[in-house]
Amino acid sequence: DAKTTQPNSMESNEEEPVHLPCNHSTISGTDYIHWYRQLPSQGPEYVIHGLTSNVNNRMASLAIAEDRKSSTLILHRATLRDAAVYYCILAGGTSYGKLTFGQGTILTVHP
Amino acid sequence: EAGVVQSPRYKIIEKKQPVAFWCNPISGHNTLYWYLQNLGQGPELLIRYENEEAVDDSQLPKDRFSAERLKGVDSTLKIQPAELGDSAVYLCASSRSDPYEQYFGPGTRLTVT
Repeated sequence: DAKTTQPNSMESNEEEPVHLPCNHSTISGTDYIHWYRQLPSQGPEYVIHGLTSNVNNRMASLAIAEDRKSSTLILHRATLRDAAVYYCILAGGTSYGKLTFGQGTILTVHP
Repeated sequence: EAGVVQSPRYKIIEKKQPVAFWCNPISGHNTLYWYLQNLGQGPELLIRYENEEAVDDSQLPKDRFSAERLKGVDSTLKIQPAELGDSAVYLCASSRSDPYEQYFGPGTRLTVT
């Protein structure tokens, strides 16, 4: 499985944008980039995924570098409820259907 | 729509005892997953079902762990006998057509003493 690298932790203030980076230099052409988050004492929650083009949904935006070796999850206005562990996951191709979670980024949001 | 339901939410047992976890996926979701999550780590896939068939159980420790998904809906994960190292959160997830958009339950926190 291709590996992702994320910062261990990040901090933000409420109502400010948050940019969560993810490096994946060994990504293959068939790998999709997925983001999940896990709030305290809950199971992970799907956030967004993409292949090549930037993606937007009601929760966040995903910006994918042109060479696909990195991506950024953007929370446009952080709220206290966004405090969670954010996981960047590569999946697809030969690992069809399999999500391999790393340690993720712990996001702290300050009021 | 109702989410993935898991029970119990918490379980404390002594080592060498058996334990079972139950999962009811979202209605209409054919694919069901069991994950294990150790403290401070991301979830790790144990087994994936497509309807009644276990299509990926390569990470399931088969000497003590077993799972079943009768009738392709509910699923049960069993550990017998439990060991101290099995203390973790056991998560169930389900998906419909897109296997990467998985919906997770709240998990069962197992403590083995």
